[in-house]
Parts: sequence; structure tokens; C-alpha cells
Amino acid sequence: DIQMTQSPSTLSASVGDRVTITCRASQSISSWLAWYQQKPGKAPKLLIYRASSLESGVPSRFSGSGSGTEFTLTISSLQPDDFATYYCQQYNSCSTFGQGTKVEIK
Amino acid sequence: EVQLVESGGGLVQPGGSLRLSCAASGFSFSNYWMSWVRQAPGKGLEWVANIKQDGSEKYYVDSVKGRFTISRDNAKNSLYLQMDSLRAEDTAVYYCAGESAINSGCYYGYWGQGTLVTVSS
Repeated sequence: DIQMTQSPSTLSASVGDRVTITCRASQSISSWLAWYQQKPGKAPKLLIYRASSLESGVPSRFSGSGSGTEFTLTISSLQPDDFATYYCQQYNSCSTFGQGTKVEIK
Repeated sequence: EVQLVESGGGLVQPGGSLRLSCAASGFSFSNYWMSWVRQAPGKGLEWVANIKQDGSEKYYVDSVKGRFTISRDNAKNSLYLQMDSLRAEDTAVYYCAGESAINSGCYYGYWGQGTLVTVSS
């Protein structure tokens, strides 16, 4: 089974900060990686697929990069609506999620 | 507008059974792989199972193999999860999820609101 490890588990940041979350796969998954945002009591929302493709309607301050085993999600300028938990998901072998990164207010 | 509406959750004793349903609308349900994803209270997301458009292929996470069965009825635009021999560790919100585009892979642009399953005596 492919394991996904996110870091950090929690991130404290301020509005306007540039934020980067890392996701590592236990084996190569090419670019078969997605990123989600989840707020308390809500279903996850797809942000990025195929490692770097922005889902329709998602603000351009979100971007993804990487291939193989190491990936990043970047928020270029953190907005109040972005405080949430973020998950990576590999779908090279359907499927596993990372453990999540909570972005909280500093 | 795409809608996925889950139902069937509730409280069940260990060893018991429950059947979850997901009613789909707003898209061509029969053209899409569908999945169940769960989230234990305060924990992360866990992929549970998926099913091909015609039901001919089904895949499960190891922890539910032999206990859970995913199925679909394309005539009713519905997805199901039959859960047997339930354990305390199956307690979670169960989400119905649909792939973002036809045969795009098991990442999900469409999610239901979730239904809570609690396994406890």
C-alpha cells in the first residue's frame, strides 16, 4: 500500500502569509496527486488534481507542484477563508490520503 | 447542479449491519466511477471502496474487505454500501464521492454531505 505523509501537521500563519504544505509518497505516484480543503462539519473540496492542475473555480492563489514522491501545496497569500485542514490524496493506486495539515490563525 | 445525498447512517451495535445509500442527481451517474470515503471523529479521510460504472469492478480498503459491499443501481441513480460485522473502529462520517470527470481517476470533485455511522453497545 502507498503511504502518504504530510508535513507539518499544524501550521500557524497570518493573513497575507505565503504557506507551503508538503506531501510525500512512500513510492512513486507520478503526478497522480490531489489536494483538498476541508472545513469543520463540511465535505472536502477539491483544489488541485494531477499534482498541479487547478480545479475550476478555485482561486489562483492556490498552486501545486511536484512529481514522483514529493509534492507541495502553496497558498501565495493566505486569506481569512483559507483557515482549514488540507489533505493530499494519491490516486496512482486508488487510494490513500495524507493525515492532514491544519492551517490555523497565528 | 450535481447533488449527492447520503442516508442510512445511525447507531448500531458491534457485529451489526447497516446499509448506506447515496442518491445522485444533476449528472450522468451511470458514466462515473463512484466511491465511499469515511472520516472517523476528529481524524483524517480514509478511502473505503469504489465501483466501476457498470458495477463490474469493485475495490476495497483492506480493513473492510469481506465485511463491506459496494453496489449501485444506475436505473435509480443510486450508490450503496452494505456494512456487515461492524466494529467500533468503523465509526465515522461516510461520504459518497464521485470522480471529477469520466474515467479521470479516483479523485473527487463531487461529495455528499456525509452520514454518521456510530458502532457502539
